[in-house]
Order: sequence, then structure tokens, then C-alpha cells
Amino acid sequence: DIVLIQSPATLSVTPGDSVSLSCRASQSINNNLHWYQQKSHESPRLLIKYSSQSISGIPSRFSGSGSGTDFTLSINSVETEDFGMYFCQQSNRWPLTFGAGTKLELK
Amino acid sequence: EVQLQESGPSLVKPSQTLSLTCSVTGDSITSGYWNWIRKFPGNKLEYMGYISYSGSTYYNPSLKSRISITRDTSKNQFYLQLNSVTTEDTATYYCTRYRGNYDYTMDYWGQGTSVTVSS
Repeated sequence: DIVLIQSPATLSVTPGDSVSLSCRASQSINNNLHWYQQKSHESPRLLIKYSSQSISGIPSRFSGSGSGTDFTLSINSVETEDFGMYFCQQSNRWPLTFGAGTKLELK
Repeated sequence: EVQLQESGPSLVKPSQTLSLTCSVTGDSITSGYWNWIRKFPGNKLEYMGYISYSGSTYYNPSLKSRISITRDTSKNQFYLQLNSVTTEDTATYYCTRYRGNYDYTMDYWGQGTSVTVSS
């Protein structure tokens, strides 16, 4: 199975900060990497697909980049509603797998 | 708007079978791919498998001997059965959809249902 390593495990930030979350794959997954946000007591929500494709309804402060094994989710000027867990998921090879997540918390 | 809703028992005894239902509105399960994903305590997410628009199935090899995903198109529901459960199967179970046509992203999720395996 493809292993996705997310870092850091926890990111403590102040509203207004700009942040980058990393997801590294154990082998090349081309651009088949997707990002989800999960807030407390909610289901995950798709943020970015295929590394950098935006999703309708998702604020433009969220953006993604990367290919091969290294991917980044960037949040430009974090807002209080952005705090929660962020997961990456690969769809290059079955079974689909997820990273362990990065927790974005208030400093 | 597509909506998915999981239902089923919240407590299952070890060695028994976990059975969950996903009820879908706003889309037909005869299109797309319908999935089960679980989230363990500690936040790890595991992809369990799908049933497709045609009724074909895929199961994560880690579960292959214990899992079954079926459907009832007349009710627009699909189901998860997981046999011989242990405490390691304690998790929140989500049903989801992905469109297919080379788009393997989970664009709709149910609210999740928490299942505890305990005697």
C-alpha cells in the first residue's frame, strides 16, 4: 500500500498567518493527491483534488501544489473557521489510502 | 443536494457481525461509486471498499475475508457487513460517494456513525 506521511502532526497558528501543510508519498503518485478538511464533530470535506484543482464552494485561500511524492496544501491568511484536521488521500493505486492528518490549532 | 446517512447499531460484541446501512438521497446508487471509510480513535482513516453503479465491488485486501458490501437499488441504500469483529474495529464509519470517470475523490460524505466493539 502507498503510505502518506503528513507533517507536521500539529500546527499552532494565529489567525492571519499563512501556513503550509506537507504530504509525502512512499512512491510516486503523479498528481493523484487530494486534500480534505475535517472540523470537530463534522464529516471530512473535499478541499483540493488532483494536487491543485480547486473545488466549488471552497474559499480561494486554500491552494495545493506538488507532484510525484511531495505535495503541499497552503492556506493564505488562516481564519478561525479553518481550525481542525487536514488529511491527504491518494488515488494512484488501490487501495486508496489516507495520511494520518495534520491538526491546525489556535496558538 | 446529495445526502448520505449511516445507520446501525452503535455497540457490537466481539466475534459478531457489524452491519450498517447507508441511505442516499439526491442521487441514484446506480450511478457512481459508493464507499465505506472508517476513522479509528486517534484519527487514522481506512478505505474499506466500494460498490459500483453496476453492482461490482472492491474490498481493501486488509479486510477481504471479512467484508461484504451490498445494495438495494429499490431503496437507494447500500450496506456494509464486517464479520468476526474485534475491538480493533471500533471506529466511526462513513459512507461516501465518488463519481468515477477517473475522479476518485470523495465528494459527499455521510455524518458518520460511531461503532464500539465491546462485550
